[in-house]
Amino acid sequence: GESVGLHLPTLSVQEGDNSIINCAYSNSASDYFIWYKQESGKGPQFIIDIRSNMDKRQGQRVTVLLNKTVKHLSLQIAATQPGDSAVYFCAENMSTSGTYKYIFGTGTRLKVLA
Amino acid sequence: EAQVTQNPRYLITVTGKKLTVTCSQNMNHEYMSWYRQDPGLGLRQIYYSMNVEVTDKGDVPEGYKVSRKEKRNFPLILESPSPNQTSLYFCASSRTGGTEAFFGQGTRLTVV
Repeated sequence: GESVGLHLPTLSVQEGDNSIINCAYSNSASDYFIWYKQESGKGPQFIIDIRSNMDKRQGQRVTVLLNKTVKHLSLQIAATQPGDSAVYFCAENMSTSGTYKYIFGTGTRLKVLA
Repeated sequence: EAQVTQNPRYLITVTGKKLTVTCSQNMNHEYMSWYRQDPGLGLRQIYYSMNVEVTDKGDVPEGYKVSRKEKRNFPLILESPSPNQTSLYFCASSRTGGTEAFFGQGTRLTVV
């Protein structure tokens, strides 16, 4: 597998429990946020996104919460499964300026314990 | 099948020898982007393209070039690779700049 996850913070969760992965973003003007999942040896895969006019968005088993006051983003995974084991990245974008630069967090490794 | 295809998947080269990593998407996406991924640093954007003939620098553009002559292709060019460009590279595309991205499988580049 790839070595990009060597220095990542790790969250270990029992199978069936809920997981919460946190992310602090850097730019108060960012208005679009995405969570990606990266499995070993693969490219990042979209999970869920949220725009700055919302503070919560739900998908299938996942929920993203956005707190603009403290520039904080979280990803909640319900009933965590072994297939959820991966590295999770948040990304921010400031699209209103007309530019589309993305800034990614350094990632969190999620380990699901059987 | 909708996908982003990068080639090659693995490449070992020597310092100074020009190389190109190709990226192609079949989803008619306007926005394409290149990232490098290094341990402890996450993904960093190298260049992006809003549409054909429109490219812009990301956070780490030094030592790289790109072109966007056609909508589907966005090659990454290293004119004179150096060892500090040893990294895992990802190409991504999205419908627009503010929508979710689809990533390729990655290109592991080693410059010796």
